[in-house]
Amino acid sequence: AQKITQTQPGMFVQEKEAVTLDCTYDTSDQSYGLFWYKQPSSGEMIFLIYQGSYDEQNATEGRYSLNFQKARKSANLVISASQLGDSAMYFCAMREGQDDKIIFGKGTRLHILP
Amino acid sequence: DTEVTQTPKHLVMGMTNKKSLKCEQHMGHRAMYWYKQKAKKPPELMFVYSYEKLSINESVPSRFSPECPNSSLLNLHLHALQPEDSALYLCASSQETSSTDTQYFGPGTRLTVL
Repeated sequence: AQKITQTQPGMFVQEKEAVTLDCTYDTSDQSYGLFWYKQPSSGEMIFLIYQGSYDEQNATEGRYSLNFQKARKSANLVISASQLGDSAMYFCAMREGQDDKIIFGKGTRLHILP
Repeated sequence: DTEVTQTPKHLVMGMTNKKSLKCEQHMGHRAMYWYKQKAKKPPELMFVYSYEKLSINESVPSRFSPECPNSSLLNLHLHALQPEDSALYLCASSQETSSTDTQYFGPGTRLTVL
C-alpha cells in the first residue's frame, strides 16, 4: 500500500486564485513529519513547509499553508494568490519516527495560467 | 543558510568512463543522502550517511559507490554505468534522521550515459 497518496497528477489554475494540492498518508507511528517540496523544471527540490504529527496548529509559510487533518490522515498544501512562478511539480513527503528515509508521493504537476 | 551545492551541474559520460559527483553542505548537518530521479517520477533513495557512516544502501548496483570523506562532503563515484542510469542525481542533507528533520536538497546533477 502506498504510504503517501497524491491523487491529482495535474492541475490547471488561473493566476491569483488559491489552489489546494491533496495529500493523504498512511502510518501507524505516533511520531512523524510531513513535508511539501516544489520542483521546477530546473530540477532543484525546494522545501516549502513542514508539519509535525504533534503540532496542534496548521503550519504556514508566507503564501503556503498546510491543512493538517490528523484523523483523516490528510496534509493538503494550500497556495494562496497563485503566481506564474508557482508552476512546478509538487511532492508531498513523510518521515516516520527515527526512520532514515523520507517517503515521497508521486507528485502533482501544477500549471498556473495567465 | 540552507544551501546544498552539487557539482557538476551536467555530466555526459560513456559506459567505460569513471566519474564522480560531489555534494557539499556547511549547515552542520550530520545526515546526507543520494537520490536518483527519473523524469516525471519522485526521487528514489539510494544511500544515507549518518555521522559519516553508511546507514542505508537501497540495493544500489556496485557501479555506484558512495563516499563521505567528512561531515560536509558526500561523493558518488560512478563506473561502468549503463544508459538506463541516465537521470537527475540529487543530494540532500538534514540535521539528523528524526521525523522532525527537514531534508534540504541541492540543485542536482543531470547525468547522461551514452
